[in-house]
Amino acid sequence: RKEVEQDPGPFNVPEGATVAFNCTYSNSASQSFFWYRQDCRKEPKLLMSVYSSGNEDGRFTAQLNRASQYISLLIRDSKLSDSATYLCVVNWLGDSSYKLIFGSGTRLLVRP
Amino acid sequence: DAMVIQNPRYQVTQFGKPVTLSCSQTLNHNVMYWYQQKSSQAPKLLFHYYDKDFNNEADTPDNFQSRRPNTSFCFLDIRSPGLGDAAMYLCATSSGVGGLTDTQYFGPGTRLTVL
Repeated sequence: RKEVEQDPGPFNVPEGATVAFNCTYSNSASQSFFWYRQDCRKEPKLLMSVYSSGNEDGRFTAQLNRASQYISLLIRDSKLSDSATYLCVVNWLGDSSYKLIFGSGTRLLVRP
Repeated sequence: DAMVIQNPRYQVTQFGKPVTLSCSQTLNHNVMYWYQQKSSQAPKLLFHYYDKDFNNEADTPDNFQSRRPNTSFCFLDIRSPGLGDAAMYLCATSSGVGGLTDTQYFGPGTRLTVL
């Protein structure tokens, strides 16, 4: 089983649609969780951290379910500019220190 | 203002010819990371420094080395690049590790081509 698993997509949605991505992780000791956004041939950028109680930032809502070990990202009212790859990222306790483990990403295409 | 700077942005080298990639940061962060990312794949952590403490990932080939002469700079040395080392190399920094606020800030990356 992969450490962090995501549906690669692509998700092809019209402008204004609501789209949701899920991500599962295998290490129950993981402490912190993030969603990063990566545009084509660019570096990943933090979209939002994921808090235990869930959190919202404008059109974006992140949820964490520790019991089932999954994280979700909901995007409402999709914009063309939301087209990107969304990386699920989990902070992972390795042999001697924490490190971030990245999922392979879910690609989103928002069409006019 | 750029916070994590990588040079060069594009590097072309020949098979077996050593190459050094550079990263600098203005955030005064304790931790600096090097990732390798190939097309349509997740970034893969190669190693990181917590201050001067070097942490190598178990599956990072010996061909990859790193130096951190001071807080601001970190270098990735590829001693004998192979065709399979062609990738985007991302440098990142964070203030600490393990916490929800210890988010990583990435540089723009160096795209390495091996001929």
